[in-house]
Amino acid sequence: EVQLVESGGGLVQPGRSMKLSCAASGFTFSNYGMAWVRQAPTKGLEWVATISYDGSSTYYRDSVKGRFTISRDNAKSTLYLQMNSLRSEDTATYYCTRVLRGTWDYWGQGVMVTVSS
Amino acid sequence: DIVLTQSPATLSVTPGESVSLSCRASQGISTSIHWYQQKSNESPRLLIKYASQSISGIPSRFSGSGSGTDFTLSINRVESEDFSVYYCQQSYSLPLTFGSGTKLEIK
Repeated sequence: EVQLVESGGGLVQPGRSMKLSCAASGFTFSNYGMAWVRQAPTKGLEWVATISYDGSSTYYRDSVKGRFTISRDNAKSTLYLQMNSLRSEDTATYYCTRVLRGTWDYWGQGVMVTVSS
Repeated sequence: DIVLTQSPATLSVTPGESVSLSCRASQGISTSIHWYQQKSNESPRLLIKYASQSISGIPSRFSGSGSGTDFTLSINRVESEDFSVYYCQQSYSLPLTFGSGTKLEIK
């Protein structure tokens, strides 16, 4: 069974940093691209970043480019999102997702990030 | 950026009715549209990929159609478990974008 389990969320002050992790199991992690998708409270879904199966390619939405870094450790089957210079508009539930040809076929349960002073 | 416009924003139906949800893209995207269902306080679930391709484990009452700029998610005979929010998403070009969602509610 495919499982994606996020961790690392919580309350953080504006301008500070936070790192999210996603532990994957039930599939060969190194064969799949992975992504982060977020959802602000009571809002819709928003793609954040994608990383290729081997980590050689990364893609970001403009609003997080230069502040967020997506990475992976295939030996540990773990996906990461390093978030720096956090803003109030980054407040959201962050979902770890598995990429399947442009779609996201498996989603984690999500981890909440609240940016507030 | 490709903008996806979903309509209606809310759809009130009685269980057993059949419904169609619309997603319109701001430019042609071939069949690079995917549909997700999100129940309250749950993670999204992939329903349909590439406009009309079915997903293993998804009930056959869900189907998709369209190409270019106009797409439709159809639910044949809505069941109680189907009342949730539905999102379309395009993978034609970056940034990947979602529609704002259609909420399917009980009439």
